[in-house]
Amino acid sequence: GEDVEQSLFLSVREGDSSVINCTYTDSSSTYLYWYKQEPGAGLQLLTYIFSNMDMKQDQRLTVLLNKKDKHLSLRIADTQTGDSAIYFCAERYQAGTALIFGKGTTLSVSS
Amino acid sequence: EAGVAQSPRYKIIEKRQSVAFWCNPISGHATLYWYQQILGQGPKLLIQFQNNGVVDDSQLPKDRFSAERLKGVDSTLKIQPAKLEDSAVYLCASSFGQSSYEQYFGPGTRLTVT
Repeated sequence: GEDVEQSLFLSVREGDSSVINCTYTDSSSTYLYWYKQEPGAGLQLLTYIFSNMDMKQDQRLTVLLNKKDKHLSLRIADTQTGDSAIYFCAERYQAGTALIFGKGTTLSVSS
Repeated sequence: EAGVAQSPRYKIIEKRQSVAFWCNPISGHATLYWYQQILGQGPKLLIQFQNNGVVDDSQLPKDRFSAERLKGVDSTLKIQPAKLEDSAVYLCASSFGQSSYEQYFGPGTRLTVT
C-alpha cells in the first residue's frame, strides 16, 4: 500500500536544530523527497535521496534514510525564522511516476 | 529560468458552476502533473501528461474533471460542475522528462466553492 506519515507539528527556537521525521510503507520506493511550502506558495524542492543511499547533506540540510525501518528524516541545522513553513515528505516508485506525499509537518521557529 | 506559471491564483465560484485553470510548465519540460491539495493534506495526483499524451489519470474524477495538453506545452484543467468538496489548491508541476528525478511546482490556484 501507499502511505506516507509525518508528525503534524514541530516547534523550535532560532539557532537550534530541527528534525522532521517521516515513515513510508512502500519498500519499492526508490526516491524520497523533501519539499517546503510557505503560506500561499507552491512547493519548493529542498532535496531528495535515492533509496540506495543512507545520508545526503546539502548546506544546512541533512537527510537520513533508514531503509530497513522505512524511516526518513530531515535535519535543519541552525534553524532560522525563515525556515518556518510546512515540510512535506514524498516518495516515488521510479522516475517518471507521480509523487506520493505525507500530510506535512508545520515547523514553527521562535526567536 | 522562469518557473511553472499558473492562473488564476484565486477563484471563488458557486457549486454547480464550471471553472478552468491554466498551467504553463518550465520551458522544455515534457512531463506535466496536476495535483489537488485539500487544506491540511498533502498534494494528490489528478493527472499526468507526457507531451500531449495522458500517462496516468486513474485518480481523476472523470465525471466532472477534465484536462488537456493539446500541443504538449501548456495545459488546462476543468471542473464542471463543481462541488463543495472541490475546494482546494490545484497545483501544476513539471519535469524535464519521465526519467527526471526533479519535479517543480507552480504557485497553485486556490479554489473556493460556495
